[in-house]
Amino acid sequence: DIQMTQSPSSLSASVRDRVTITCRASQSISTYLNWYQHQPGKAPKLLISTASSLQSGVPSRFSGSGSGTDFTLTISSLQPEDFATYYCHQTYITPFTFGQGTRLEIK
Amino acid sequence: QVQLVQSGAEVKKPGASLKVSCKASGYTFTGYYIHWVRQAPGQGLEWMGRINPNSGDTNYAQKIQGRVTMTRDTSISTAYMDLNMLTSDDTAVYYCARDFSYGLDVWGQGTTVTVSS
Repeated sequence: DIQMTQSPSSLSASVRDRVTITCRASQSISTYLNWYQHQPGKAPKLLISTASSLQSGVPSRFSGSGSGTDFTLTISSLQPEDFATYYCHQTYITPFTFGQGTRLEIK
Repeated sequence: QVQLVQSGAEVKKPGASLKVSCKASGYTFTGYYIHWVRQAPGQGLEWMGRINPNSGDTNYAQKIQGRVTMTRDTSISTAYMDLNMLTSDDTAVYYCARDFSYGLDVWGQGTTVTVSS
């Protein structure tokens, strides 16, 4: 199975901060990498697909990059509604594994 | 609008079986894979598997292979996830989600499953 490792596991930041979360795959997955935001009590929300494609309706402060084994999710200016847990997810080959998550907390 | 509506919360005893349904509406059910994802309390998201509603072909996570079966009924646009020999480790919120080929873009509301004696 492909292992997905996110860092950091948790992060404290302030509103208007720039934040970067990284995701590393145990083998190359091309750009078959998606990012999700998960808030308590809600279903996960797709933010970025194929490493860098912003989903419709997702604010432009979110961006993704990378290919192969190393990927990043960047939030350019944190807003109060962005405090949540973020997951990367590879869909290169089954089983389609998730990273362990990055919990973004308010400082 | 495109939506997935899941069946309600369940309480099960260890060793029992579980069946969760996921009814699709607003799109062509057979055109998109359905995935199942769960989140145990205090844990991250776990991919369980997927089904091609057109062919019925499935892929499962190794961890639950042998205990899980994913099926569908195209006449009512509904996918099902069966999990047997439940243990407390299966206590989780279970989600179904539509795969539009570039990610899971539509999710069900989640089904809370509690396994307890």
